[in-house]
Amino acid sequence: ETGVTQTPRHLVMGMTNKKSLKCEQHLGHNAMYWYKQSAKKPLELMFVYSLEERVENNSVPSRFSPECPNSSHLFLHLHTLQPEDSALYLCASSQVGGGWEYNEQFFGPGTRLTVL
Amino acid sequence: QKEVEQDPGPLSVPEGAIVSLNCTYSNSAFQYFMWYRQYSRKGPELLMYTYSSGNKEDGRFTAQVDKSSKYISLFIRDSQPSDSATYLCAMSPNTNAGKSTFGDGTTLTVKP
Repeated sequence: ETGVTQTPRHLVMGMTNKKSLKCEQHLGHNAMYWYKQSAKKPLELMFVYSLEERVENNSVPSRFSPECPNSSHLFLHLHTLQPEDSALYLCASSQVGGGWEYNEQFFGPGTRLTVL
Repeated sequence: QKEVEQDPGPLSVPEGAIVSLNCTYSNSAFQYFMWYRQYSRKGPELLMYTYSSGNKEDGRFTAQVDKSSKYISLFIRDSQPSDSATYLCAMSPNTNAGKSTFGDGTTLTVKP
């Protein structure tokens, strides 16, 4: 595997289900991110794990819960979601720190989530 | 008002045309300006980034930043059907990609 991988690629769940999205980066980066991408809206940063510190967007509902067991793996746990949570969930990684060069983010292909 | 406004599109052009994609912004703290390309069923990939004002060229792609007008553009010369994708502009106050603010995206179709 190379780059950033995400599983599953598609997920359909009911509002009472609990599911998890998985992301793995094979780039040796020290930061990982979850984004939500909805139609005709900008990418919304949900969570960042950078140098073992977690940063979150305060507008993200508590029904989304991230977990980062190590620098290569990132999970997004989902429970009691709403239909408006249907979107493409993107994982990304980057190398933070060191120099003035922009720290490029590498994105995975995303998980297309549909909440019924 | 959004911090970053992107021309909504969609945009449809014939093969070989010059394409101009544009974004405006309101936050004068932005120093890094990025363009991402996103193909259908894929994540965004960074095309180019520019620091501060000026032009940057990479093959058929030219990124232009005018900080005085708070306006950025991406030009695609000799457009190809393989350029058909959604283009996202993004801006950041520093090198930390996690601080980026994205535009909504413009979907481009290049017809053979």
